[in-house]
Amino acid sequence: DARVTQTPRHKVTEMGQEVTMRCQPILGHNTVFWYRQTMMQGLELLAYFRNRAPLDDSGMPKDRFSAEMPDATLATLKIQPSEPRDSAVYFCASGPSGSITDTQYFGPGTRLTVL
Amino acid sequence: AQSVAQPEDQVNVAEGNPLTVKCTYSVSGNPYLFWYVQYPNRGLQFLLKYITGDNLVKGSYGFEAEFNKSQTSFHLKKPSALVSDSALYFCAVRGVGSGNTGKLIFGQGTTLQVKP
Repeated sequence: DARVTQTPRHKVTEMGQEVTMRCQPILGHNTVFWYRQTMMQGLELLAYFRNRAPLDDSGMPKDRFSAEMPDATLATLKIQPSEPRDSAVYFCASGPSGSITDTQYFGPGTRLTVL
Repeated sequence: AQSVAQPEDQVNVAEGNPLTVKCTYSVSGNPYLFWYVQYPNRGLQFLLKYITGDNLVKGSYGFEAEFNKSQTSFHLKKPSALVSDSALYFCAVRGVGSGNTGKLIFGQGTTLQVKP
């Protein structure tokens, strides 16, 4: 049963610390998405990759957030330095082809708490 | 600008009764519409999508959705609700237009509560 995996599932850190979240997309999928979910803002797209190249990161605060795909099986989202307002659940999703009709398959999320 | 509206924060229904979770959208060009469900402390699970063709789309767990172009709606339905259907439901749209990278725009979500 192929699925998107994310690590860690939970992370508690102090303000100013670096946080790295990892995602393994479904094998063979060539698009990866990072979303953030908060009570106030709902689900927001942070970044979108196709064939490991960033296509859209307009939703991401550039001064502290960065997203990369070092290889086809790993996507990372980094926050440095972290702030309490970054507390949220971060979801990774992958899609099979980058087509406009693709279904995105979501991982279980990383719940981040910044104290 | 593309947008999705889920006008009800919560829908309550008795087990065995039909349920409807409402969604309206605004996009330029043809809409591609999706429904996802989220159980507590879990990721989003895909239920169904409308791309083209028949306006009634059937999906997982007995859910279906009706696409109505004139009303720009894509309501989620199920003929007979189960207590286990209680969850948070998200409608999403992906539209085709200039400058559109094809990203999904999600509604705010509707909590479905099915009572025994």
